[in-house]
Amino acid sequence: GAGVSQSPRYKVAKRGQDVALRCDPISGHVSLFWYQQALGQGPEFLTYFQNEAQLDKSGLPSDRFFAERPEGSVSTLKIQRTQQEDSAVYLCASSPIADSVNEQFFGPGTRLTVL
Amino acid sequence: AQRVTQPEKLLSVFKGAPVELKCNYSYSGSPELFWYVQYSRQRLQLLLRHISRESIKGFTADLNKGETSFHLKKPFAQEEDSAMYYCALRGRGGFKTIFGAGTRLFVKA
Repeated sequence: GAGVSQSPRYKVAKRGQDVALRCDPISGHVSLFWYQQALGQGPEFLTYFQNEAQLDKSGLPSDRFFAERPEGSVSTLKIQRTQQEDSAVYLCASSPIADSVNEQFFGPGTRLTVL
Repeated sequence: AQRVTQPEKLLSVFKGAPVELKCNYSYSGSPELFWYVQYSRQRLQLLLRHISRESIKGFTADLNKGETSFHLKKPFAQEEDSAMYYCALRGRGGFKTIFGAGTRLFVKA
């Protein structure tokens, strides 16, 4: 079976551009997480969805960051007016049930470079 | 403040030697603790979680609430253990996961 997929794998944007990053979780997984991983750091939590409901967006760094999961499957992370400090790998993870001890299955990530 | 600290960025050991990757945490409440691993050119994946009290690939980790630590140990390191290791915590009943900065383990032949 296919794991979590993310697209694009690499994105180069000019400062000020808007970008959209896509995550396809494992089919049937209830929970979906987005993380931002800067170079040399661990993943940093951005937001969490349970089905289509965004239950925690406390990690979104500014109002330029927006995430959605309208039908409870595919999710999109949108960054408006990108800035150089947004350069990072963006990871998506999914989990089969809404449980704090459950394993998260990670995608390969999207590497965003803002020039 | 909720925080996970991995004090070593790089740990280098010889094959067959014991290895311990340190993890300390700060959390008010009962956390769930995890170790994730990322092998070269692979995705981040779960290695083990404290609640399962399991041994995976010879690795074990014991939660020490008094010292707020969750160190990862293996008695005899193998070359294939070379990877990036991340300690992580999540509040019981919560969803926000906090990761440490990671420790790169290099096992020399």
